[in-house]
Amino acid sequence: DQQVKQNSPSLSVQEGRISILNCDYTNSMFDYFLWYKKYPAEGPTFLISISSIKDKNEDGRFTVFLNKSAKHLSLHIVPSQPGDSAVYFCAASGKEYGNKLVFGAGTILRVKS
Amino acid sequence: ETGVTQSPTHLIKTRGQQVTLRCSSQSGHNTVSWYQQALGQGPQFIFQYYREEENGRGNFPPRFSGLQFPNYSSELNVNALELDDSALYLCASSLGGGPDIQYFGAGTRLSVL
Repeated sequence: DQQVKQNSPSLSVQEGRISILNCDYTNSMFDYFLWYKKYPAEGPTFLISISSIKDKNEDGRFTVFLNKSAKHLSLHIVPSQPGDSAVYFCAASGKEYGNKLVFGAGTILRVKS
Repeated sequence: ETGVTQSPTHLIKTRGQQVTLRCSSQSGHNTVSWYQQALGQGPQFIFQYYREEENGRGNFPPRFSGLQFPNYSSELNVNALELDDSALYLCASSLGGGPDIQYFGAGTRLSVL
């Protein structure tokens, strides 16, 4: 069963516009969420995280929003840059769930210049 | 501060053989997690080691085993390789053994023929 779902396999955005990547989860025991970015031939790179006690966390051009009632989170990138083109993974974790990260299947973001 | 390093970068084995993958954790980190990433999927948790003890295991058979050494580096061993074991194996290190940001290496690409 997929406990973390990224339903959009790919997204294409014009440079300078907003990129919105979505993620849904099913397990209410998750209380910590992370976004990673992955370039080809590299490991996933941590971008931003959010605890379930918050509904928003911002770091420069990246903002993560968490809607616990809907079990939904999203990553906003503003403005999008060509260097942001990569695969983005949503991951979830939690004290009660152990220490593992549960990943979605990823969304390929392509930022066109 | 050195990041997470993995060796080798690529490996080709035949079915039934055994393989050992290695990981050096980021300086100051005492926790190492291993993930398997099949093509087109997100990373799947194999197990985690915290201060040389296994600290959680995913849904992988016992032929996947690991070790963590006093310097917190780690090995992943896979016995009786199967074709489906072909994947990217990622190591991640973190501090504390609980839900936390995990920092990934570039991975080892294993091909089983």
